[in-house]
Amino acid sequence: AQKVTQAQTEISVVEKEDVTLDCVYETRDTTYYLFWYKQPPSGELVFLIRRNSFDEQNEISGRYSWNFQKSTSSFNFTITASQVVDSAVYFCAISGNTGKLIFGQGTTLQVKP
Amino acid sequence: DAGVIQSPRHEVTEMGQEVTLRCKPISGHNSLFWYRQTMMRGLELLIYFNNNVPIDDSGMPEDRFSAKMPNASFSTLKIQPSEPRDSAVYFCASSLGALRDSEQYFGPGTRLTVT
Repeated sequence: AQKVTQAQTEISVVEKEDVTLDCVYETRDTTYYLFWYKQPPSGELVFLIRRNSFDEQNEISGRYSWNFQKSTSSFNFTITASQVVDSAVYFCAISGNTGKLIFGQGTTLQVKP
Repeated sequence: DAGVIQSPRHEVTEMGQEVTLRCKPISGHNSLFWYRQTMMRGLELLIYFNNNVPIDDSGMPEDRFSAKMPNASFSTLKIQPSEPRDSAVYFCASSLGALRDSEQYFGPGTRLTVT
């Protein structure tokens, strides 16, 4: 069975601070995909990134960056110079052979002005 | 382009009543998913369809829940009879391509309250 653990339930930072959201996953599949989604206060889930298990290159998109390490089964997400608009719940998820997307419990990020 | 459309956005009903949630996926997408989000259980996959065919309904809580996808542009999730523990936000999502590697696009959700 696949599992995603987001150990940080809530994080509070002050604007302009850097913040890293942790994600640890478990799977027996050799091929799998990892995702991050953002759920702002409005409620909808917004896709941020997808990474396959054979691509361990880090990725940067503006103030967002992702660090995938198979050796530690982690797929961490860093926001640089956080802004109030980054306040949201962030979900890490995994899909494998079954195609099902399994979500972690989410990390609530609050960015204070 | 229109995203995933869900209706209604909010539904308040009394225990025992039938509830029908509706979803229109993104045009051209061939997979559709129904999720439920609660504080206690987080995001749970209830059922998903591929090319209008139900592939896995193992997440459906019990026989009171049923889902249909009569065509590529419409799906329903029905709860009959509804119970207070069904109160949650129900999301519909759609994706294109191979199931496991395709990003899913979510609708705005339907907030269901059963009193």
